[in-house]
Amino acid sequence: AQSVTQPDIHITVSEGASLELRCNYSYGATPYLFWYVQSPGQGLQLLLKYFSGDTLVQGIKGFEAEFKRSQSSFNLRKPSVHWSDAAEYFCAVGASGQAGTALIFGKGTTLSVSS
Amino acid sequence: AAGVIQSPRHLIKEKRETATLKCYPIPRHDTVYWYQQGPGQDPQFLISFYEKMQSDKGSIPDRFSAQQFSDYHSELNMSSLELGDSALYFCASSLRGASSYEQYFGPGTRLTVT
Repeated sequence: AQSVTQPDIHITVSEGASLELRCNYSYGATPYLFWYVQSPGQGLQLLLKYFSGDTLVQGIKGFEAEFKRSQSSFNLRKPSVHWSDAAEYFCAVGASGQAGTALIFGKGTTLSVSS
Repeated sequence: AAGVIQSPRHLIKEKRETATLKCYPIPRHDTVYWYQQGPGQDPQFLISFYEKMQSDKGSIPDRFSAQQFSDYHSELNMSSLELGDSALYFCASSLRGASSYEQYFGPGTRLTVT
C-alpha cells in the first residue's frame, strides 16, 4: 500500500536560516508527489509537484524539492526562511496511476520560525 | 484566479442531526474530491467524482453520501452525526488530463458536532 512518512513532527528554524523538511514515500510505480502548506484553520495550498522529468522542482514562495528515486524521498527545501513560513507542511503522493484518485498525506511537519 | 468554494465555512450540529456540505470546483474542473481532517491529523480521503460518477472511494462512513451535479458542484450529505465527525472537511478539484493529479483545495468547512 502507498504511504508517506514525514519523520519530523516539529521543526524550529531561525529566520533567515535554511530549511529542509523530509518526506519518504512508499509506492510501487512512478509516484506523483506534492507538497502542501496549511496555515492554522486554513485550507491546503499547493507548493509544488513532481510528475516526471527534472528531479529538482521549483515551487511558489521560494520553495524547491528534489525527487530521489533511490532514496524514495522528496524533501522540501528553502534557502532562507521567513517568519511567514511558519505553518504545517504536508507531503502527499498520488494514490494510483489514475486521475480522480486520492492523495495520501503524511502526518505533517509543523514549522516554527524563531526571530 | 477563481478558487474552490465551500459552504458553509462553519457548521454546528447536534448528535444525530444531518448536515450538507457544498463544494463548487474551480471553473472547468471536472473532478471533485472530499477529504476529512480531524484535529491535529492529516487529511483523509473520503470520496471523489468525475463527470458525475464516483471515481474513487476511501474511508467514507456509510452514514455519509455524496454526489456531483451537472454543473460539477458536489454535496456531501452526513446523517446521524456523531461527536467524532467533528472535523475540517475539504473539497478539492482537478481537471482530468495532463494535470489531473494537481488537486486544488478549498478553504474547508469546519463541522462541530455537540
